[in-house]
Amino acid sequence: NAGVTQTPKFQVLKTGQSMTLQCAQDMNHEYMSWYRQDPGMGLRLIHYSVGAGITDQGEVPNGYNVSRSTTEDFPLRLLSAAPSQTSVYFCASSYSSYSNQPQHFGDGTRLSIL
Amino acid sequence: GENVEQHPSTLSVQEGDSAVIKCTYSDSASNYFPWYKQELGKRPQLIIDIRSNVGEKKDQRIAVTLNKTAKHFSLHITETQPEDSAVYFCAAIAPNNNDMRFGAGTRLTVKP
Repeated sequence: NAGVTQTPKFQVLKTGQSMTLQCAQDMNHEYMSWYRQDPGMGLRLIHYSVGAGITDQGEVPNGYNVSRSTTEDFPLRLLSAAPSQTSVYFCASSYSSYSNQPQHFGDGTRLSIL
Repeated sequence: GENVEQHPSTLSVQEGDSAVIKCTYSDSASNYFPWYKQELGKRPQLIIDIRSNVGEKKDQRIAVTLNKTAKHFSLHITETQPEDSAVYFCAAIAPNNNDMRFGAGTRLTVKP
């Protein structure tokens, strides 16, 4: 098992560009989520999904879109990148449709917006 | 929604000493409290968790205690070692709620 795989590991964008961060898991987990991690602010939930075809907003959803067409994949789209979106992004998954179960994190994507 | 506060933000101890990190939460319905360890440049990894039906859980040198009345929970690391140096995050979530909230993190440094 590869666990949770995120690509790319690093990315630099210009303001206004769009891009998609990829996340895939091979554990057949129902629950998947995206967090952003900023210095001194812990992990903040952007969007989550409790199963294929179902997504919902977390604490900081503005400027991001998600979709869940399969159980394995949960891409995060930045619509029009802004410097405030410079952060480290983590994807996570857990087997339950409720996140009150241990979450498995990917290695993260370090994103810089110029 | 849930709000989790974590203290201290930094903690430095001598090797062999104990370390305690404390978190408070606001939602009395929260019933799951995990702790994650994140080494520099790495992913957060679960080290221990506790549910609201128990007051304490221990795994070798790591223990977590929960006080539901006061709405706080703590991570205890005994006999600290340099490899315990990392950032530790607490989190809390209520049942039927998918918005897990994390504390801001504690940077633990264990000096040899």
